[in-house]
Amino acid sequence: ILNVEQSPQSLHVQEGDSTNFTCSFPSSNFYALHWYRWETAKSPEALFVMTLNGDEKKKGRISATLNTKEGYSYLYIKGSQPEDSATYLCASADRNSGNTPLVFGKGTRLSVIA
Amino acid sequence: NAGVTQTPKFRVLKTGQSMTLLCAQDMNHEYMYWYRQDPGMGLRLIHYSVGEGTTAKGEVPDGYNVSRLKKQNFLLGLESAAPSQTSVYFCASSYSMGQGRNTEAFFGQGTRLTVV
Repeated sequence: ILNVEQSPQSLHVQEGDSTNFTCSFPSSNFYALHWYRWETAKSPEALFVMTLNGDEKKKGRISATLNTKEGYSYLYIKGSQPEDSATYLCASADRNSGNTPLVFGKGTRLSVIA
Repeated sequence: NAGVTQTPKFRVLKTGQSMTLLCAQDMNHEYMYWYRQDPGMGLRLIHYSVGEGTTAKGEVPDGYNVSRLKKQNFLLGLESAAPSQTSVYFCASSYSMGQGRNTEAFFGQGTRLTVV
């Protein structure tokens, strides 16, 4: 089972602040890295799926980067808003895991204070 | 468009009782998954299926069985429920491209199960 780690576990930011958090994964045999947004009482929804080293993806004020050689991905939120409050999950898969699906990290819980 | 639908949404079981959770998807996805979510543990994979008639064990399969008799449905069974199975269960599905790993997963709304 892959070891996917996210940091920090939680953070609180003021409305308007920009923030970022990290997902670390094994760099050997990397295949794919996913980011999901998970609001309380809802189900996780995909933000990004990245597969190539150096990938950068953006959706509105949220963007993500991928470094497969060193095994990390950053998620950035620019100008945080209260509606950005959620748990952000990353998940990874490697080429050795055959059909084994994604392994999720434990998430970063973001609270944006108005 | 329904997407991924889980039933029931809530359930309370007594220790030793059995039940089946149903997951249905209408997106013609090949891959389907069952996860459990516990405080501080993130999402952990119980079982998964790469197509109709196939199932495989995930990270925490003990105490659960699954079946995928139809492509659109993935059932999770608890034969003899235990308090340790109190959790929120999520079903997900995805297309088969990249063996389901480089296409996004779509999640159901979750089933909150309490075993007393």
